[in-house]
Amino acid sequence: DAGITQSPRHKVTETGTPVTLRCHQTENHRYMYWYRQDPEHGLRLIHYSYGVKDTDKGEVSDGYSVSRSKTEDFLLTLESATSSQTSVYFCAIPSGSRGYTFGSGTRLTVV
Amino acid sequence: AQSVTQLDSQVPVFEEAPVELRCNYSSSVSVYLFWYVQYPNQGLQLLLKYLSGSTLVKGINGFEAEFNKSQTSFHLRKPSVHISDTAEYFCAVSGTTNFGNEKLTFGTGTRLTIIP
Repeated sequence: DAGITQSPRHKVTETGTPVTLRCHQTENHRYMYWYRQDPEHGLRLIHYSYGVKDTDKGEVSDGYSVSRSKTEDFLLTLESATSSQTSVYFCAIPSGSRGYTFGSGTRLTVV
Repeated sequence: AQSVTQLDSQVPVFEEAPVELRCNYSSSVSVYLFWYVQYPNQGLQLLLKYLSGSTLVKGINGFEAEFNKSQTSFHLRKPSVHISDTAEYFCAVSGTTNFGNEKLTFGTGTRLTIIP
C-alpha cells in the first residue's frame, strides 16, 4: 500500500532463532501498529508506537519486542522464534479518514 | 475495551445472489465501526466505515452496512455478488477519542465464497 511497506514479504526460520520484521512508512505519522493474523483469531494487536522510542504492549505481546528509533521505521523482533509465532504479520498506520492503512504483510513460518 | 463477534466464519453464496455478513460488537463507550476486505495473499483494504450521521453507510464495490446501536450490530450487505467478491471480510471497532490513539479491535473474519 502507498506510504507503508513491510520487509521481508516471506520468511522461513528455525525454532530458537531471532527474527526481525521491518515496517517503513513515508507518511510521517506518529502512530504505528503491529498485528498478527491467525485463522482462528483474526487480527490481534502485538505492540504499537506513539512516537520515537515510545512503545506499548498490545493484546499478544509475549515473546515479541519492538523498537522505533526513527519516525519512519518500526521494527518487530522475535527474540527466540517458536512454532506458535508462525503467522502473517501486518503493520498499520492511521489513515487520514480514520481507520488504518495496512502494509502488505509478512508471512513468517517457524520450523 | 471493545470486542467484535463475527458469527459466520464461512459464507457460500451463488453469483448474483444477495449476501449479508453479520457483525456484532460490545463496548462501554461510543464507537467507530469498520469493514475491511482481504483478497487472497493481500493486505487489508478499507471497505467502509461508520463514524457518525446516517446509520446506512455505503462503501466501495457496491457494499453497504447499517449501524444499529440498539442491537450493537454493523452488518455488511450487497444486493448482488460477483465472483470477484470472493475474499475474507473483517469487522472492526475503535473508540472515538484521540485520533491515532484509538486501537482497532477486529473480529475473526468471514470468508465469503462466491459460487458460479
